[in-house]
Amino acid sequence: DAKTTQPTSMDCAEGRAANLPCNHSTISGNEYVYWYRQIHSQGPQYIIHGLKNNETNEMASLIITEDRKSSTLILPHATLRDTAVYYCNALSEGAQKLVFGQGTRLTINP
Amino acid sequence: EADIYQTPRYLVIGTGKKITLECSQTMGHDKMYWYQQDPGMELHLIHYSYGVNSTEKGDLSSESTVSRIRTEHFPLTLESARPSHTSQYLCASSEFTGGQEEKLFFGSGTQLSVL
Repeated sequence: DAKTTQPTSMDCAEGRAANLPCNHSTISGNEYVYWYRQIHSQGPQYIIHGLKNNETNEMASLIITEDRKSSTLILPHATLRDTAVYYCNALSEGAQKLVFGQGTRLTINP
Repeated sequence: EADIYQTPRYLVIGTGKKITLECSQTMGHDKMYWYQQDPGMELHLIHYSYGVNSTEKGDLSSESTVSRIRTEHFPLTLESARPSHTSQYLCASSEFTGGQEEKLFFGSGTQLSVL
């Protein structure tokens, strides 16, 4: 499974769009990009996943570059409750291969 | 959304006690997982199961054991708790959304403190 690289931390103002980048330059053709987040002391929460097309759901949008070497998770109107650690993963096998690394600690400021 | 429940939410126990952390899900998911997480640190997979009577060890070695006698139930047991077992334990189940796509749903976790 491809290794992913994310910034350690980011800040965003409440009400603005939060754009979280993820680099997965070694991703292979059948690997999906997954995003989860973990709010303090809770279990991680699935956000979104995609293969090559951009995806949108009620929580966020996922933009995957055409070469699939990077992606961006977009929270369109960030709220204080979006403060969390966000994890990006790329894998094609079962979820037992998911690696919840350091992720990006996103802080939404009032 | 999957409904997955962990009990107890918090547990403080003395060294040497046997403990069982409970995890149940009501969505009929075949695959279930146990993760361990220390404060501010990464999650580490310690056990998983493909279904009834299936248990596998995860990436992080653990002295705990698991069982899967029923689809909805995946308890984790420590035969003799030690202070080094103090951690948060997170249970998850997964939903296959098609092909190789698999989404994890997590419980709220059990915070274990061994004195």
